[in-house]
Amino acid sequence: AQSVTQLDSQVPVFEEAPVELRCNYSSSVSVYLFWYVQYPNQGLQLLLKYLSGSTLVKGINGFEAEFNKSQTSFHLRKPSVHISDTAEYFCAVRTYSSASKIIFGSGTRLSIRP
Amino acid sequence: EPEVTQTPSHQVTQMGQEVILRCVPISNHLYFYWYRQILGQKVEFLVSFYNNEISEKSEIFDDQFSVERPDGSNFTLKIRSTKLEDSAMYFCASSEMGSGRPGLSYEQYFGPGTRLTVT
Repeated sequence: AQSVTQLDSQVPVFEEAPVELRCNYSSSVSVYLFWYVQYPNQGLQLLLKYLSGSTLVKGINGFEAEFNKSQTSFHLRKPSVHISDTAEYFCAVRTYSSASKIIFGSGTRLSIRP
Repeated sequence: EPEVTQTPSHQVTQMGQEVILRCVPISNHLYFYWYRQILGQKVEFLVSFYNNEISEKSEIFDDQFSVERPDGSNFTLKIRSTKLEDSAMYFCASSEMGSGRPGLSYEQYFGPGTRLTVT
C-alpha cells in the first residue's frame, strides 16, 4: 500500500520569503509524484509532477519540487511567495501499476502574510 | 482550454434522501473518477470508471454508491440513502487514459467540486 505524509498542516510565511512544503511517501513499488493546489472554494489544479528523469521538476507559478528516492521525499519549494499563493497544497502519489487511483496527503495550508 | 464541469456546485439534502451528482468530463477522455474530501480532511479516492465499467473502487464506495455514464457526455455519482457522514466535497476527474507503463502518466483533470451537505 502507498501513503503520503505532509508534515506541516499549516505554514505561515511573509510575502516574498522562500517557502518549502514537505512531503514524504511510502510505497513498495515505484510511483509517480504530484503536487496539487486548491485555492479557496475551487477545485484541484496540478502544480507539477515527477514521472521519471531529472529529479528537479518545475511547475506553474514558480514552484519546483525535488524527488529524493533515498529519503522518499518530494518537497515543494518556491524562492519568493506572493499573496496569491495562499492556498491548500496536496502532495500525491500514483503507482505505475494502478491505472487510476491517486493517493493524497492530508494537505498543507500556506498562508502568506504581507 | 477544456475543463471538467460539475453540477450543482452545492447540494443540500435530508438524511435518507437520494442525490445525484453530475459531471461532464473532458470530451476525449476515457477514464473517469470520483473523489471526496470531508471538511478538513484529505482527498480520498472513491471509484474509477472505464468502458462503462467500474475499474477500481475503494472501501468507501459501498452499496449505497453507484456511478453511471448515462449518455456520451455525463458521468454521475448516485448516493441512494444519504447519511450525515456523506457530507463532503465531491470531485470528479477525467483522464485521457490510465497508465500501466513506466514513464507515462496521463494527468487527471479535476472539476471544481460539488459540496454536499446532508442535514
